[in-house]
Amino acid sequence: AQKVTQAQTEISVVEKEDVTLDCVYETRDTTYYLFWYKQPPSGELVFLIRRNSFDEQNEISGRYSWNFQKSTSSFNFTITASQVVDSAVYFCALSDSGGSNYKLTFGKGTLLTVNP
Amino acid sequence: GAGVSQSPSNKVTEKGKDVELRCDPISGHTALYWYRQSLGQGLEFLIYFQGNSAPDKSGLPSDRFSAERTGGSVSTLTIQRTQQEDSAVYLCASSRLTSENKNSNQPQHFGDGTRLSIL
Repeated sequence: AQKVTQAQTEISVVEKEDVTLDCVYETRDTTYYLFWYKQPPSGELVFLIRRNSFDEQNEISGRYSWNFQKSTSSFNFTITASQVVDSAVYFCALSDSGGSNYKLTFGKGTLLTVNP
Repeated sequence: GAGVSQSPSNKVTEKGKDVELRCDPISGHTALYWYRQSLGQGLEFLIYFQGNSAPDKSGLPSDRFSAERTGGSVSTLTIQRTQQEDSAVYLCASSRLTSENKNSNQPQHFGDGTRLSIL
């Protein structure tokens, strides 16, 4: 069975601080995919990144970076120099290739509040 | 349209009534998913369509829930005899899924959801 744990329910930071959102996953599959989605107050889930289990390279996109470590089953997300517009709920998600349906198993989400 | 479109945005109905929620996926996306987001349960998978077939209905919570997809495009999620615990945001997502190639798990793109409130 798949499971995604986001231990941080809420995080509050002041603008320009760096913040890391933790994600730990469980799966029996050797082939799987990890995702981060952002859900701003407007409600729509916005896709941020996808990684597959064979690619452990860290990735940077502007102020966002992701640290994928298979050894600890973690896929953490760091926002550098946070801004008020980063305030949202962030979800980590996992899908494996079992059954080829790629349904997403989500963590409970982390509510990030960036204060001016 | 450019994104996944869901209607209605909001639906308020009385307990016991039937409701239909509609999803119009991104053009060309063969895979379509329904999820439910509620305070207590977070984001939960309901059903998956590949084309017009639903090979995975494992997330549907009861036989009051059903879904169909026609023409490989629009999907309708129907909840019969609604209960208060059905109150949630129902999210639809689509992706360009190639089932033949397990390495091509394309990201799912979500609609804005339908907020369902059962009185």
